[in-house]
Amino acid sequence: KAGVTQTPRYLIKTRGQQVTLSCSPISGHRSVSWYQQTPGQGLQFLFEYFSETQRNKGNFPGRFSGRQFSNSRSEMNVSTLELGDSALYLCASSSDRVYNEQFFGPGTRLTVL
Amino acid sequence: GQQVMQIPQYQHVQEGEDFTTYCNSSTTLSNIQWYKQRPGGHPVFLIQLVKSGEVKKQKRLTFQFGEAKKNSSLHITATQTTDVGTYFCAGVKNAGNMLTFGGGTRLMVKP
Repeated sequence: KAGVTQTPRYLIKTRGQQVTLSCSPISGHRSVSWYQQTPGQGLQFLFEYFSETQRNKGNFPGRFSGRQFSNSRSEMNVSTLELGDSALYLCASSSDRVYNEQFFGPGTRLTVL
Repeated sequence: GQQVMQIPQYQHVQEGEDFTTYCNSSTTLSNIQWYKQRPGGHPVFLIQLVKSGEVKKQKRLTFQFGEAKKNSSLHITATQTTDVGTYFCAGVKNAGNMLTFGGGTRLMVKP
């Protein structure tokens, strides 16, 4: 089985712009979660989508949003970028079992200038 | 909100020495998961603990979940250079996939 893929792998944006990141989960996985990883704050949960519905949401401002498509692919969008949004954005997929291991993608490295 | 603390933040060991990282949650967890992230890589699932007092072993790695389901530990016996990386615990409070990660312990092994 192919693993979780994320595009693009690297991105450079300027303050005020918006960005869309994409994630393709492992085939058959319906849950997709997004995490932000920074040296200062570590790994923080953004949101989880399951069957096109947001099931869980972390403590991030409304500038961070996401969606999931019928094929389970997911996108996250960050509007009005700030310098502090520079981070590695990780997507993880999992199966439908109650307690699920997460399979992480390689991440998208976003740099905001 | 839920917090998961992990210590130590860094650990340097000589190859062959043992290593332990500890994880403590401010709230009772449904389960706890452990991940390893190599430098420049992404987190990779190691194990999941669900039951109170559970102990699981994977070769040289031993994982424990506390009786109160609020703390956990990972112990590596006789470290090797391949063990280098950052080890994260991640707590799950409710059903679903919202992981609250600890800050991680970065393990460095000197050959």
